[in-house]
Amino acid sequence: SYELTQPPSVSVSPGQTARITCSGDALPRKYAYWYQQKSGQAPVLVIYEDTKRPSGIPERFSGSTSGTMATLTISGAQLDDEADYYCYSTDHGGSPGGVFGGGTKLTVL
Amino acid sequence: QVQLRQWGGGLLKPSETLSLTCAVYGGSFSGFYWTWIRQPPGKRLEWIGEISQSGNTYYSPSFNSRVTMSVDTSKNQFSLKVNSVSAADTATFYCARGVRLSGSATLFDFWGQGTLVSVSS
Repeated sequence: SYELTQPPSVSVSPGQTARITCSGDALPRKYAYWYQQKSGQAPVLVIYEDTKRPSGIPERFSGSTSGTMATLTISGAQLDDEADYYCYSTDHGGSPGGVFGGGTKLTVL
Repeated sequence: QVQLRQWGGGLLKPSETLSLTCAVYGGSFSGFYWTWIRQPPGKRLEWIGEISQSGNTYYSPSFNSRVTMSVDTSKNQFSLKVNSVSAADTATFYCARGVRLSGSATLFDFWGQGTLVSVSS
């Protein structure tokens, strides 16, 4: 079955740039989506179709892709950005369902 | 503002049937893909399946034989049933609104609050 791979954890100081990666064989042909999940809460979409930011999401959140890797970048990370981040995408098949990455715990301290 | 509120689940015994319902408030019920996603404790999110307003369904192959989704358009509600549950089904279940943009996967822009389902004898 298709898998998306993320690092388990990333740690930055406030104001630094955090980069969270997601690798998957189908990413050159399929969009990546990024969700932020704070402790005890439902996920929130922060990036869709690789690079687009939903309304209401701060400009410090951005997305990019290169080959089989998608990257979520948080420029000038804030304490409030501390959360788990999950990438999501689909494989080459025709099913509308996709898979989530294993999640990356972002620590800002 | 769109809101999804879900209920059901709770504590189940192995082999019982899990039942959850999600109500949609605000916004249109048509044109979206009403989705269930689960998250076992400390693990990744997992797409279970989706249902459209017309009742068309897609289920993950991981659940295909145990899952049934239904929709009640008169109440703007959709439901999930998972039969023959086991301890491996212990998870927080979320309902979500799916939006399918042209040529891309479904994005989930509104989520329910989540419901913890525990399976134990």
